[in-house]
Amino acid sequence: AQTVTQSQPEMSVQEAETVTLSCTYDTSESDYYLFWYKQPPSRQMILVIRQEAYKQQNATENRFSVNFQKAAKSFSLKISDSQLGDAAMYFCAYRSGNDYKLSFGAGTTVTVRA
Amino acid sequence: KAGVTQTPRYLIKTRGQQVTLSCSPISGHRSVSWYQQTPGQGLQFLFEYFSETQRNKGNFPGRFSGRQFSNSRSEMNVSTLELGDSALYLCASSFGQGGYTFGSGTRLTVV
Repeated sequence: AQTVTQSQPEMSVQEAETVTLSCTYDTSESDYYLFWYKQPPSRQMILVIRQEAYKQQNATENRFSVNFQKAAKSFSLKISDSQLGDAAMYFCAYRSGNDYKLSFGAGTTVTVRA
Repeated sequence: KAGVTQTPRYLIKTRGQQVTLSCSPISGHRSVSWYQQTPGQGLQFLFEYFSETQRNKGNFPGRFSGRQFSNSRSEMNVSTLELGDSALYLCASSFGQGGYTFGSGTRLTVV
């Protein structure tokens, strides 16, 4: 079974600064996908960024970027120029290429200080 | 385009009752998954449906069941409710190998 570990329960960042959230995963497969989801108090899970394992290039979506280290099984999320609206719980998730379920980490709560 | 719609948003039930939750996926999405979110266990996969067939099931007791209709709408049912079933139930739809789009969830409270 795949496991996803987020070792930081909480992170705090000053507005306009940068914060990095860590995620490691355990798998023996070569075909898989990794995701970062954001869950604000409204409860809806919002897809932040997606990475295919076969792609070496790190995914980027505006102020959000990942550092995908396949050999180390690490998938960190960097939020640049943090905004108050970035405050939320962030979940790292894994999906096998031949499966249809997401395995989630425990989440990291991000607080943005004005 | 409309997102994933889950109804109802809130539900209060008594122990021993049963409950049915509904999920309408994004138009064109044929895969629907269900997740349970609790403070203690986090996000756990319940089951996934594609074209009315269950393709994968998580490690939950048989009291948890689901189905998918020909229009891709899905329902999940929990029978003989227990206090521990209190949770946020999230539905997600997907098209192909893309990411999953989640609904806002149904908050179930069992008293």
